[in-house]
Amino acid sequence: DSGVTQTPKHLITATGQRVTLRCSPRSGDLSVYWYQQSLDQGLQFLIQYYNGEERAKGNILERFSAQQFPDLHSELNLSSLELGDSALYFCASSIDTYNEQFFGPGTRLTVL
Amino acid sequence: AQSVTQLDSQVPVFEEAPVELRCNYSSSVSVYLFWYVQYPNQGLQLLLKYLSGSTLVESINGFEAEFNKSQTSFHLRKPSVHISDTAEYFCAPNNAGNMLTFGGGTRLMVKP
Repeated sequence: DSGVTQTPKHLITATGQRVTLRCSPRSGDLSVYWYQQSLDQGLQFLIQYYNGEERAKGNILERFSAQQFPDLHSELNLSSLELGDSALYFCASSIDTYNEQFFGPGTRLTVL
Repeated sequence: AQSVTQLDSQVPVFEEAPVELRCNYSSSVSVYLFWYVQYPNQGLQLLLKYLSGSTLVESINGFEAEFNKSQTSFHLRKPSVHISDTAEYFCAPNNAGNMLTFGGGTRLMVKP
């Protein structure tokens, strides 16, 4: 158990819909990362927050957004969903930007 | 920007045989190096890391990796693999001051 929690574990929805994925980092970790993992694209970094502020952006679509709240939990919002958004979405946390990241168990999103 | 290459996308090997998973990164500037493992249907877990000191680092389950600064490599090895080592392995260098960059992953398939 990494100490990072993600909810929900599974999510099935339809094209065009909007969903919110939630992540709680390890106690004491200020940095939260979101990744998307799919068979064709592999593990892709989406976005990083550090202590409530956006720190780095990766291959995140404009239809996706994220935020980190004062209690340090984070949410990833995916809107206007497409079939190709079906993937595993991982959250990770670290104490700062440079050290190892601890991964949550992931949310499996299926868009039908 | 940091980049990382995992030269083999899949490595099939028989049980009890030795294995090497290769990783090369783009910069020889002071760097931290990590290997993560992802077992089927799970999130990524830290396997081992190099921050400083001895260039040979070991994990608790028999894997080792050697930091080679001149060749900018951090290959992962195990002298005798088990069926339970079947997983995907990700190399992740971190240029000091920047975030981890994950390689494309190597799928280790251990056959009986």
